[in-house]
Amino acid sequence: NAGVTQTPKFQVLKTGQSMTLQCAQDMNHEYMSWYRQDPGMGLRLIHYSVGAGITDQGEVPNGYNVSRSTTEDFPLRLLSAAPSQTSVYFCASSYRDRAGGYTFGSGTRLTVV
Amino acid sequence: SQQGEEDPQALSIQEGENATMNCSYKTSINNLQWYRQNSGRGLVHLILIRSNEREKHSGRLRVTLDTSKKSSSLLITASRAADTASYFCATDDGGTGANSKLTFGKGITLSVRP
Repeated sequence: NAGVTQTPKFQVLKTGQSMTLQCAQDMNHEYMSWYRQDPGMGLRLIHYSVGAGITDQGEVPNGYNVSRSTTEDFPLRLLSAAPSQTSVYFCASSYRDRAGGYTFGSGTRLTVV
Repeated sequence: SQQGEEDPQALSIQEGENATMNCSYKTSINNLQWYRQNSGRGLVHLILIRSNEREKHSGRLRVTLDTSKKSSSLLITASRAADTASYFCATDDGGTGANSKLTFGKGITLSVRP
């Protein structure tokens, strides 16, 4: 089915470990972004990309890296996991003008112990 | 920092009643969007209203936008138990440049009692 696919759905990490959250879309969307959702905080933008080879920081970029080598994929890397990064992570994509709204993935629930 | 702020934070109504949710924002926007999130799921796009529009309808949804007051409202008519979810407004600063982005509020929890 067309849409945004996030893997894994659940992950437990130890403090200091690194990992990559995967995000792929098959709608030929130029725009992709990563949000984290915490209770009472809504969704906060981590990083976003307006096209292959172009990325920029959002509101809470520290501790995360991204790259966009293809239109389809936008992985989020946690460099050295901290308990403060325990959250639910959502990837979203849209056409460049975002006029049709975002399509969201189903999320990755990450726990850092 | 978040652009949109929804009001109220939580709303509980009886099935069949109308639900009205409000969103205020601070800076100029290109468009405003509303999303729904069911428990444990990703967000689903409901409706988008552009800055030059005042009202828009989609099925049982009606959204209004007042750019002079920097506010929007989402009305769900004849609510159903299945409408129970969190609702988010999101503001888009417009453009296609590298700095353009969508900013979400903290959300409203709607409970519809059967």
